[in-house]
Amino acid sequence: KAGVTQTPRYLIKTRGQQVTLSCSPISGHRSVSWYQQTPGQGLQFLFEYFSETQRNKGNFPGRFSGRQFSNSRSEMNVSTLELGDSALYLCASSFFTVNTEAFFGQGTRLTVV
Amino acid sequence: KNEVEQSPQNLTAQEGEFITINCSYSVGISALHWLQQHPGGGIVSLFMLSSGKKKHGRLIATINIQEKHSSLHITASHPRDSAVYICAVLNYGGSQGNLIFGKGTKLSVKP
Repeated sequence: KAGVTQTPRYLIKTRGQQVTLSCSPISGHRSVSWYQQTPGQGLQFLFEYFSETQRNKGNFPGRFSGRQFSNSRSEMNVSTLELGDSALYLCASSFFTVNTEAFFGQGTRLTVV
Repeated sequence: KNEVEQSPQNLTAQEGEFITINCSYSVGISALHWLQQHPGGGIVSLFMLSSGKKKHGRLIATINIQEKHSSLHITASHPRDSAVYICAVLNYGGSQGNLIFGKGTKLSVKP
């Protein structure tokens, strides 16, 4: 079956702009989690959605938001981009929760200039 | 102090060597994941375990809940095992809610 698909793979944005990233989970999976990876901080949890509801949220400012649609596809949005938002953004899907096996996408590499 | 500590940070091995990567954590967990990340960025989940030991091919993962410690072993290492290995724990009670990650161990296996 198809894996987790993230689009776009690469993105360059200017400071102050906003960006929307997309994640299509494996068919049948209802949980989608988002993570930010930077060289300095490593991988950090952003938020998790399950059945269109945000179930958990990490310690990120309100500029980071997300949503999940009825087909389990998820989007995350970052408003008023800062240089420090440059990172690899990964999503993972699970059937129920990340306490079951998680499948990761290839990530979206965002560069803010 | 990080809630999830991995050692070593970097590891260079000769092909065929037995490799051990360690992960210690300080929070209560419901599960621990071992992940592999290749230079392209994509992450593959190797194991998820909450007790005991799991084996998949040349990879073995163990966890000791009482000691809050897990190890990932690679037997007969091969250059294609070169990657970053990341330990992540699922902590329901913590402020981070979902997975808490270690900083990763960069493994390089020389032919």
